[in-house]
Amino acid sequence: QVQMQESGPGLVRPSQTLSLSCTVSGGSITSTGHYWSWIRQYPGKGLEWIGYIYHNGGTYYNPSLKNRVTISVDTSKNQFSLKLSSVTAADTAVYYCARCHELLHFDIWGQGSLVTVSS
Amino acid sequence: EIVLTQSPATLSLSPGERATLSCRASQRISKYLAWYQQRPGQAPRLLIYEVSNRATGVPARFSGSGSGTDFTLTISSLEPEDFAVYYCQQRTDWSFTFGPGTKVDIK
Repeated sequence: QVQMQESGPGLVRPSQTLSLSCTVSGGSITSTGHYWSWIRQYPGKGLEWIGYIYHNGGTYYNPSLKNRVTISVDTSKNQFSLKLSSVTAADTAVYYCARCHELLHFDIWGQGSLVTVSS
Repeated sequence: EIVLTQSPATLSLSPGERATLSCRASQRISKYLAWYQQRPGQAPRLLIYEVSNRATGVPARFSGSGSGTDFTLTISSLEPEDFAVYYCQQRTDWSFTFGPGTKVDIK
């Protein structure tokens, strides 16, 4: 079955760019109807959707973050990536990659990657 | 942006009891309402999609209902593994929002 795994630094300095990748295994990132997403969860539980990308490169971002977010896809590696610029302590969270089915709900999630923003 | 409110924040129940969790939207939403379960240290897991459809492998004791602005997740008889946090999620205009969660803990 499809599995997803996040990777990237666990510590990012303030004002720098947070970079994470998600590797999809057990299925193709080019599968029809699946949108590849990033979601974060703040300490103490709230979930925030960050954005998604389709395998053709089409993206849509949370309006509250769109000035700082870039999501890209590498179909040859079955991976997609997140870049979040100008980070502050408020960006400290567990970052999940997830598969969005038909732009409706998130049916497969990675295990999550804790990113702490601190000097 | 549509805001989802969940109540209660915490629900204290015993195994075998029925749990009723509420999710209310700030505006009328379509049928694109989902529910997730999150156990400590784990990622959220899809339970219910499009208001009332159980995801693959989800036990029949979980059911969803509702329409308009008011939605409900019901667990008919709590099993020990059901004590967790539950989130609702909606999609409108290509964006997604989540509710703040309801924690179901052991009484």
